[in-house]
This record gives sequence, C-alpha cells and structure tokens, in this order.
Amino acid sequence: RKEVEQDPGPFNVPEGATVAFNCTYSNSASQSFFWYRQDCRKEPKLLMSVYSSGNEDGRFTAQLNRASQYISLLIRDSKLSDSATYLCVVSASGGSYIPTFGRGTSLIVHP
Amino acid sequence: NAGVTQTPKFRVLKTGQSMTLLCAQDMNHEYMYWYRQDPGMGLRLIHYSVGEGTTAKGEVPDGYNVSRLKKQNFLLGLESAAPSQTSVYFCASSKLASSYNEQFFGPGTRLTVL
Repeated sequence: RKEVEQDPGPFNVPEGATVAFNCTYSNSASQSFFWYRQDCRKEPKLLMSVYSSGNEDGRFTAQLNRASQYISLLIRDSKLSDSATYLCVVSASGGSYIPTFGRGTSLIVHP
Repeated sequence: NAGVTQTPKFRVLKTGQSMTLLCAQDMNHEYMYWYRQDPGMGLRLIHYSVGEGTTAKGEVPDGYNVSRLKKQNFLLGLESAAPSQTSVYFCASSKLASSYNEQFFGPGTRLTVL
C-alpha cells in the first residue's frame, strides 16, 4: 500500500461548484500535512497547511481526520483558475521529517 | 530573492552521456531535495540533504549522485544517462525539516534521454 494515496481524477466540475478531495495516509506517526497546487508543467506551490483543528483560507477548507488517517480539501465556488493538480503531502514525526507526496488529484473547472 | 533556481531548464542527452543539474537557493535553507516527476507517478524523492556536506538517499536513488559542497547549492549528477531517466526534475528547499515546514520548489529541468 502506498504511503499517501489520492484519487487521480480528473474531477470535472462547472464553475461555481463545490468539490472535495480526500487523501489517505498509512503512517499513523504522521505529524505534518499539506496541500500543494501544481499547474501544468510548473513547480508545486504550497496551497495550505492542514492543522488538527482544520483551517480555512477563503474558498478553501482543509481538514484532518487522524482516526481514519485522511486529510481533505474542500473548494467552494470553483473558478476556472482553480484548474490544476492538487498534491497531498505528509511528513512523519521524528527522524528527518522528509515529506511524502501523493500522486495528485487533477481538477478541471469548466465554464 | 530569486528563491530556488535550476540550471538548465531543458536538456537532451544520448544514452550513456553524463550531465549535472544545478540547484541553487538564496533563502539560507538547511534542507534541499531532488525529485523526479513522471506522468501518473507523482513526485518521487531521489536524494536529499539535511545540511552542507551531507546527503542521503531517497526513494529512487539508483543512477544518480549528488553533492552539497555549499549550503546554497545542491547538484544532481547522472553518470551514464538511460532512457528511463527521461523525466522532469524538481529541486526543492526548506528551512528545516520540522513540522509544518514549507518546501519551495525550483521551476524544473526537463530532461530527455534518447
């Protein structure tokens, strides 16, 4: 089982829709969780960190469920510019905290 | 600040040739990483460094070597390129590898091995 798993999609949604992605992780010692965004043929960039209490940044909400070992990303009122691949990143505690990336979920927002 | 830069941006090699990819960061970050990204495979860690003079293997280190002689630079070498090494290579850096520590990525190097 891969350490960090994501549904590759693509998720194809109309503008204005609400869409949610999940990401599951296998290491129960994981401590740090992130969502990165990657545009086509570009480098990944941090979208948001995921805190235990959940966090919100404008139209984006990230949540952590430690019991079920998954994190989620909710995008409300989707824009055309949200079209991208969303990468889930998990780091375990102790040692060197080297992050593990999921394969990414592709989102396509159409008019 | 330039952030993380990578040289070159594109390269075409023939099988058996060698080359070095250069990554430079001007943020005084301790940690640096080299990833490759292939279609459908996500980002896979090749090697990483936790500080000047140190390197460690990642998930897919075979066929690659690295060096971190200066804190701001992380070099990735291919001694004898193979078609399987055709990929997009990303370098990243982070201040420390502690909890909630953001990685900053370079723009990538697109390598084709014929």
